[in-house]
Amino acid sequence: DTAVSQTPKYLVTQMGNDKSIKCEQNLGHDTMYWYKQDSKKFLKIMFSYNNKELIINETVPNRFSPKSPDKAHLNLHINSLELGDSAVYFCASSQLQGTKNIQYFGAGTRLSVL
Amino acid sequence: DQQVKQNSPSLSVQEGRISILNCDYTNSMFDYFLWYKKYPAEGPTFLISISSIKDKNEDGRFTVFLNKSAKHLSLHIVPSQPGDSAVYFCAASPRQAGTALIFGKGTTLSVSS
Repeated sequence: DTAVSQTPKYLVTQMGNDKSIKCEQNLGHDTMYWYKQDSKKFLKIMFSYNNKELIINETVPNRFSPKSPDKAHLNLHINSLELGDSAVYFCASSQLQGTKNIQYFGAGTRLSVL
Repeated sequence: DQQVKQNSPSLSVQEGRISILNCDYTNSMFDYFLWYKKYPAEGPTFLISISSIKDKNEDGRFTVFLNKSAKHLSLHIVPSQPGDSAVYFCAASPRQAGTALIFGKGTTLSVSS
């Protein structure tokens, strides 16, 4: 029973297309995140939502738009895909409690833009 | 500008011996530190964490040490097992839960039998 699940696992598409990645968590957490792992293997935060409200928005192009229909879901929509968007995207979730910041990750979505 | 650095891209250890993975950070605001383990084609899996008010945290074969004055932490795995072969990421965050984790680039650990 997967705690944080992402779909699809692999996504191959052409430049200029629009695509979405879905994320769901069944841990009852109230905060969800999107991270990007680029070709240099760094994992970097893109967005964070707490109870459906945006709390972190790093310097990400406007073509990336997160959507949180409820606190168990955080989807990522990407418009006008570019070659540089090719990366692995990870969804994560956590529960705000004190000073601990343990985040639980999905398996990742490998996006390849051709 | 890397705030969390893992200067060893790889480490090879024999089964049964100790594995020591190192991590340095530069931001004094970091208050909570975590280690994640990652297998190919999977997401990072939480392993162990430590708050800045402690200098050691132990969980089974895994121990994390924090030297706040040196801005350095390390993960010790004793004894190492072949199943421990994976990429290990060090991560840090400010005190407040719900903030972004800042990750190092990872160290690939290979444990040979």
